[in-house]
Amino acid sequence: EVQLVQSGAEVKKPGESLKISCKGSGYSYNRYWIGWVRQMPGKGLEWMGSIYPGDSGTRYSPSFQGQVTLSVDKSSNTAHVQWNSLKASDTAMYFCATAPWEAPQYFHHWGQGTLVTVSS
Amino acid sequence: SYELTQTPSVSVSPGQTARITCSGGALAKQYAYWYQQKPDQAPVVMIYKDNERPSGIPERFSGSSSGTTVTLTISGVQAEDEADYYCQSADSSGTSVVFGGGTKLTVL
Repeated sequence: EVQLVQSGAEVKKPGESLKISCKGSGYSYNRYWIGWVRQMPGKGLEWMGSIYPGDSGTRYSPSFQGQVTLSVDKSSNTAHVQWNSLKASDTAMYFCATAPWEAPQYFHHWGQGTLVTVSS
Repeated sequence: SYELTQTPSVSVSPGQTARITCSGGALAKQYAYWYQQKPDQAPVVMIYKDNERPSGIPERFSGSSSGTTVTLTISGVQAEDEADYYCQSADSSGTSVVFGGGTKLTVL
């Protein structure tokens, strides 16, 4: 059974850095893309980007290019998204999801979400 | 940038049929996917590749496609179907993933 377990909620100040994680189990690391999705309070779903652990290839949404960095640790089947300098507008729920290699937009398994709060 | 357009809200009575539409120029070329999200939960895929239903999803959920518009149909709506529904696809190049703005389904 495919499972994605995300790291716990974070409370940070503007300007701080942050790295959240998504650990996969029940599948081989090179079988699926890992996508990241933002959901701001009371708003819809926004694709941030996706990474393919097989070769660490990445695709970023133009809206998030340069704002976040996606990475993956193949040895632990764990994906990460990192911010170098958080803003209050980064306050949101962040989801990770798996997608087949041949259909990177098909998010078939989802993590439980990580709530990030950025406040001074 | 490429966008998918959904009606913000749909209301139906129990037992009726709900239709949620999504339009976008690349939908004639790219598959569409539909996700259901209930409050404080992660999304769940309801339809993939325009009209395929994952195992475990009730048969009352179906998808269809016509040109640049895709439709999620829920036949015999039940109270438990009240949720936000998002369509999703890719841009014409297939490299960028896009979500629609979401449709709030209210069961009266």
